[in-house]
Amino acid sequence: EAGVVQSPRYKIIEKKQPVAFWCNPISGHNTLYWYLQNLGQGPELLIRYENEEAVDDSQLPKDRFSAERLKGVDSTLKIQPAELGDSAVYLCASSARQSSTDTQYFGPGTRLTVL
Amino acid sequence: AQSVTQLGSHVSVSEGALVLLRCNYSSSVPPYLFWYVQYPNQGLQLLLKYTSAATLVKGINGFEAEFKKSETSFHLTKPSAHMSDAAEYFCAVSGDTGFQKLVFGTGTRLLVSP
Repeated sequence: EAGVVQSPRYKIIEKKQPVAFWCNPISGHNTLYWYLQNLGQGPELLIRYENEEAVDDSQLPKDRFSAERLKGVDSTLKIQPAELGDSAVYLCASSARQSSTDTQYFGPGTRLTVL
Repeated sequence: AQSVTQLGSHVSVSEGALVLLRCNYSSSVPPYLFWYVQYPNQGLQLLLKYTSAATLVKGINGFEAEFKKSETSFHLTKPSAHMSDAAEYFCAVSGDTGFQKLVFGTGTRLLVSP
């Protein structure tokens, strides 16, 4: 069974440019998460989806970040415009259902460098 | 509010030695606790989780952790380190709230020398 797929794996852009990250969760997983991982830190939740509904986006900087999960499968995270401080790894994870104990499966992440 | 403290950003052991990675948590609700491992340029992989059943939890790759409520700890151990264990390890906490919102620690890098 394929794991969580993310693309691109690496992205280098200049500040003020837009950028988008794509995530394909494990087939059948209803819950999808986007995390931000700064260098030397643990991941921090940006947004959580249950099917196509964003049920927790309290940590998403909505002035420049947006996300969507059309049809409740793939998801896209966008930054516009990017700032130097956005350089980080963006991780996508999925779990089978909304549960306190269900295992989250992580993708390999997209490493963003903003110059 | 929930938080996790991982003592020691780096831990060095020799191959064959005991591995001990420390994790202390703070939670206002009964916690669920997780250990994840991250290899370079890869995503996180679940090692084990405590979900209020047995306090001693066994995971993959020979790792185990014990939930100690009185000490608010969930330390990760492995009796004998292997070179392939070198990686970043993250402890995380979530609450029994009907959904999972992981709060991660800052991670501990395990270095294994021959």
